[in-house]
Amino acid sequence: KAGVTQTPRYLIKTRGQQVTLSCSPISGHRSVSWYQQTPGQGLQFLFEYFSETQRNKGNFPGRFSGRQFSNSRSEMNVSTLELGDSALYLCASSFAGDNSPLHFGNGTRLTVT
Amino acid sequence: GENVEQHPSTLSVQEGDSAVIKCTYSDSASNYFPWYKQELGKGPQLIIDIRSNVGEKKDQRIAVTLNKTAKHFSLHITETQPEDSAVYFCAANRAGSYQLTFGKGTKLSVIP
Repeated sequence: KAGVTQTPRYLIKTRGQQVTLSCSPISGHRSVSWYQQTPGQGLQFLFEYFSETQRNKGNFPGRFSGRQFSNSRSEMNVSTLELGDSALYLCASSFAGDNSPLHFGNGTRLTVT
Repeated sequence: GENVEQHPSTLSVQEGDSAVIKCTYSDSASNYFPWYKQELGKGPQLIIDIRSNVGEKKDQRIAVTLNKTAKHFSLHITETQPEDSAVYFCAANRAGSYQLTFGKGTKLSVIP
């Protein structure tokens, strides 16, 4: 079974631009979550989607948004990029969320200059 | 909200020795506690998990224990090998919120 696939692996953007990251979950998984990983803050929850509905959102500004498609694939968007948005963005999928084992992709490394 | 604290932040052991990583959580309603291993350049990999109705779970050289009363859980790795070197994260769910709260991580180095 293929794992969680995230594209692209690396991105370099300029402050003020916007970026879209993509995630394909494990086949059969309907829940997709996004996390931001930085050396200072560790792993922080961004949002979770199930059947195209956002069920929960973390404590991030409105510049961070996401969506899920009918095939469970998900995208997240960050608008008006700031230097502090530089991080590893991790997508994870699970069968149903909430207590279902969460499986992570290898992430998208975003660098904002 | 949920707070998860993890200790130690770094741990060095000789190959063949055991390693123990400890975590505490704050939300008494948490009921799912996974552990992840993250190698350089990769995403976190689920290695073992435990639910609140179980006190201990083992999988070959890895075991996890949970003390609900004290709100802490631990990862035990026996007969460590160089390939066990990685960063390990504990996590706890925030009941009903569909999110995990992670500890800050433990960098484990196994010295051959």
